[in-house]
Order: sequence, then C-alpha cells, then structure tokens
Amino acid sequence: DGGITQSPKYLFRKEGQNVTLSCEQNLNHDAMYWYRQDPGQGLRLIYYSQIVNDFQKGDIAEGYSVSREKKESFPLTVTSAQKNPTAFYLCASSIVGRPQFFGPGTRLTVL
Amino acid sequence: SQQGEEDPQALSIQEGENATMNCSYKTSINNLQWYRQNSGRGLVHLILIRSNEREKHSGRLRVTLDTSKKSSSLLITASRAADTASYFCATDEWHNDMRFGAGTRLTVKP
Repeated sequence: DGGITQSPKYLFRKEGQNVTLSCEQNLNHDAMYWYRQDPGQGLRLIYYSQIVNDFQKGDIAEGYSVSREKKESFPLTVTSAQKNPTAFYLCASSIVGRPQFFGPGTRLTVL
Repeated sequence: SQQGEEDPQALSIQEGENATMNCSYKTSINNLQWYRQNSGRGLVHLILIRSNEREKHSGRLRVTLDTSKKSSSLLITASRAADTASYFCATDEWHNDMRFGAGTRLTVKP
C-alpha cells in the first residue's frame, strides 16, 4: 500500500526535552511538509522540503528543526526552545505543485 | 501567516440540505484546494481549482473561484451525516508551499 505514516500517534514530553516526530512516505513524492494545528484552528506551516538535503522554514519554524537525508523520510524535532509545543502535528507529502497527502498526525502533549 | 479565511466558522444543517462554505484570500495564487478533516485525523484532499478555472465539479461537490474577488466557495449538495467534518481551503502561492485557512466546521444532523 502506498501512503504516508506518522509515529507515534501520541507523544508526551517533559519540560526541557527534545522529541522527534517521525514521518515516512512511499509515494515517491519529492516534497514533504510539517504543519502544526492547535484546537479549532487551521494548519500553520513549520518546515517544508522539496528535495533531499534541502528544506525551507515556514511561518512558525522557531523551536523546531528538520532533516531530509532520504526522500522517504522527513523527521521533525521539537526542541526545548519551543515554548508551547502542545499541539497536533501533521506531515504531508506531494508532487511539487500538486495536492498534498496527509499522514494521520501526532498529538504532542507537554507534561 | 494564514492566507485563506473560511466563512462561516461553523455550519449546522439537516441531512439532505445543501452546505455552502466560502473562502477568501489575499494574494495572487496558482491554485486553490479544498480539504476535509475528520476530528483528530489527517486532512483529505477534495478538489483543486486552478487560477484560470471558474468552476469545478466532483460528485456532490461544486467549487467556484472568483480571482477578481479573491474568493472561492465549496458547495456540498444533498448532504449526509457522514459529511460532518471540518473543511479547509488552501492556497498555492506559486512557490509550492500552501497556506490554510482556519476551516469551517460542518455538522450534518440525521
């Protein structure tokens, strides 16, 4: 089955910890994206990547970091510098300029 | 920053009625897309309309685009309880990242 997966589904973080959210796709898409969604809100773009070993900041990149070492993978690290990380995180992939396919999301809670 | 703004924020209708949601945006776009999100899930792409198109249909969905007014509408005809979800518009601003609105929360009562 082709698709995009995110893990874990739920993640709990203590204050001051870095955590990494996984995103994998086997759709052979060049572009991958990370969004943050707060309750009752739309999606805000954190980072995106259109090619391996290259990525661009979105609107709310502060406190987050990414890597794109492989076409299939685009992990997101939420660092301790992100002061309010509790949110629903969505990863997506696409052929550049085409509709995005979304993963099921990771819900991150800071304890 | 968010580009699209959906209106209304919430909409409640009876099964069988039509649902209309609107989206306004601010800058020039390559295309506009509508997505659906069930509670706590990822988004699912519904329909894409290019900047040189005015109307597009897909099943019970009808999307219009007015680039002079920088607005789009999504019409769901003969709604069903299973259409209950949040609907988002997203604009592709020619540099291949997209901006999403805050969404319209649609409730269809059986």
